[in-house]
Amino acid sequence: DTEVTQTPKHLVMGMTNKKSLKCEQHMGHRAMYWYKQKAKKPPELMFVYSYEKLSINESVPSRFSPECPNSSLLNLHLHALQPEDSALYLCASSQEWANYEQYFGPGTRLTVT
Amino acid sequence: AQRVTQPEKLLSVFKGAPVELKCNYSYSGSPELFWYVQYSRQRLQLLLRHISRESIKGFTADLNKGETSFHLKKPFAQEEDSAMYYCALFSNTGKLIFGQGTTLQVKP
Repeated sequence: DTEVTQTPKHLVMGMTNKKSLKCEQHMGHRAMYWYKQKAKKPPELMFVYSYEKLSINESVPSRFSPECPNSSLLNLHLHALQPEDSALYLCASSQEWANYEQYFGPGTRLTVT
Repeated sequence: AQRVTQPEKLLSVFKGAPVELKCNYSYSGSPELFWYVQYSRQRLQLLLRHISRESIKGFTADLNKGETSFHLKKPFAQEEDSAMYYCALFSNTGKLIFGQGTTLQVKP
């Protein structure tokens, strides 16, 4: 399995909802990433996990809460989001947290109403 | 500051014409540079990285340290090359820094 999978594909949530995004890879990669991508813009890094430990938090608001339960799984818990948080959320993984190729998932299209 | 600049938002060429997507970077030291491509409704995927020196889908990119550039080239564009192209730099703080991207439009 050489793909990063993400669920759900689409998510619509209200500002008071709590939801989670899920990302999975079975390539034995030890680094996993969350990015946010707005339309026609490059991905912006949110979080980096290396060996299941949070290594980078790019000053992301606390309404986004990442979790790495094991080396194959990465979650992003969402709570009390704002409409401006609507975006494509991308997960990626790489062999190590270094200058290795990052493999991206297809993303979750999030709409906050 | 570590930065990637892609000066063109849109590059439009005819099928069969040569293509050059520009990328300039700012980095002290030896940069690790990548080109990623995002086709319509598809995931972001690696096109090439400078250390592998491979040619993928006919694209090549040469690192020019003197000009701090890593331009992407293809001698004959195909319609299926139409996509968004991002140049990216792996920073010394462990982040992949993307340029703003260039949309390549190949007209028939």
